[in-house]
Amino acid sequence: DADVTQTPRNRITKTGKRIMLECSQTKGHDRMYWYRQDPGLGLRLIYYSFDVKDINKGEISDGYSVSRQAQAKFSLSLESAIPNQTALYFCATSLSGANVLTFGAGSRLTVL
Amino acid sequence: QQQVKQSPQSLIVQKGGISIINCAYENTAFDYFPWYQQFPGKGPALLIAIRPDVSEKKEGRFTISFNKSAKQFSLHIMDSQPGDSATYFCAASGDGGTSYGKLTFGQGTILTVHP
Repeated sequence: DADVTQTPRNRITKTGKRIMLECSQTKGHDRMYWYRQDPGLGLRLIYYSFDVKDINKGEISDGYSVSRQAQAKFSLSLESAIPNQTALYFCATSLSGANVLTFGAGSRLTVL
Repeated sequence: QQQVKQSPQSLIVQKGGISIINCAYENTAFDYFPWYQQFPGKGPALLIAIRPDVSEKKEGRFTISFNKSAKQFSLHIMDSQPGDSATYFCAASGDGGTSYGKLTFGQGTILTVHP
């Protein structure tokens, strides 16, 4: 089983719909992150959480929200999806004392 | 604005050749510079990283060269192999406490190594 599991792996939705991407980890890491990957732009940080009660906005948080349900679970929500949120989304984890990210396999979201 | 600029966007190399990918950064507060490797359908994975107290770091066929005054760093892949074909991302961040994990990535380079 993967250390960092993202669901769904692929999702097609329509403009205006609410969508949730989920991430769970078995690494025992305290920190979790959501990044977005777009061609030609690399990966950009959406939100990050250093522990269950500590959630912070990243570079591109507008239009997104997150929930840290437990140390091992971190979900990303799009309250009203729009086409320019079509992208590949990655969840990542790290230990608080280390600067190494472990990424999930990604969730590809298409908003029509 | 793109705080970490990566080039080239794509690179084709013959087996056995040297692959070179370059990155430049703007924020002088950055002091941790990793390279991530991503295969199709997978998430990025840490390949090698450097801190500015050294100018070069080598791990097997992979070497990072770092030029602090020029605010540039590069990845060299010696004896490139078809299995190295992947997308490579440079990144940068601060190196302590709350800076950990908050990486600023370059745009990515798609490397293709022909047999």
